[in-house]
Amino acid sequence: GEDVEQSLFLSVREGDSSVINCTYTDSSSTYLYWYKQEPGAGLQLLTYIFSNMDMKQDQRLTVLLNKKDKHLSLRIADTQTGDSAIYFCAERAAGNKLTFGGGTRVLVKP
Amino acid sequence: DSGVTQTPKHLITATGQRVTLRCSPRSGDLSVYWYQQSLDQGLQFLIQYYNGEERAKGNILERFSAQQFPDLHSELNLSSLELGDSALYFCASSVEDPGGVTEAFFGQGTRLTVV
Repeated sequence: GEDVEQSLFLSVREGDSSVINCTYTDSSSTYLYWYKQEPGAGLQLLTYIFSNMDMKQDQRLTVLLNKKDKHLSLRIADTQTGDSAIYFCAERAAGNKLTFGGGTRVLVKP
Repeated sequence: DSGVTQTPKHLITATGQRVTLRCSPRSGDLSVYWYQQSLDQGLQFLIQYYNGEERAKGNILERFSAQQFPDLHSELNLSSLELGDSALYFCASSVEDPGGVTEAFFGQGTRLTVV
């Protein structure tokens, strides 16, 4: 079955690093994604990682994947107030269906 | 702007009514997905269409139905509405590519309030 879980809330100070964690259960997942949702807006794809990779870096974003533990994390370096949003991890299973976690609300304090 | 257009942006209706939400995918995208986002259920996949045909089904109630038309736009029909159907309904589209990364582009959503 498919189940994606995330912590609900993260508070971080501006300039610090944020780490958002996600666990999933479907071992047949091929791609794992991080989406960002700002208030009143749709979801925006931030980054993705293929399931045979351990790490992917994209500017301030670093994705780490532990396939054995089915654990995915997103690190945001030098977090800014504009990074305050809800972050969703998602896994892609058969049929291109994306299963989303419940979202982690990140609050960046000045 | 993701290129995915959803209308209307807001909808307020009474219990028992029926509404239709519309989605225009990005130009060239053949797949359309519908998601429901509510406070208690999070983001739930409802249904996917690919080039006019139903491809995958998620947690979609029998009172809900969808279709994708020859011009690739899609409609989500919600009937016999209940208070609990109040949510943000998202449409997403993608170019289905089984061998590569399928990035799904999301619309801004339709906020449905059932009173």
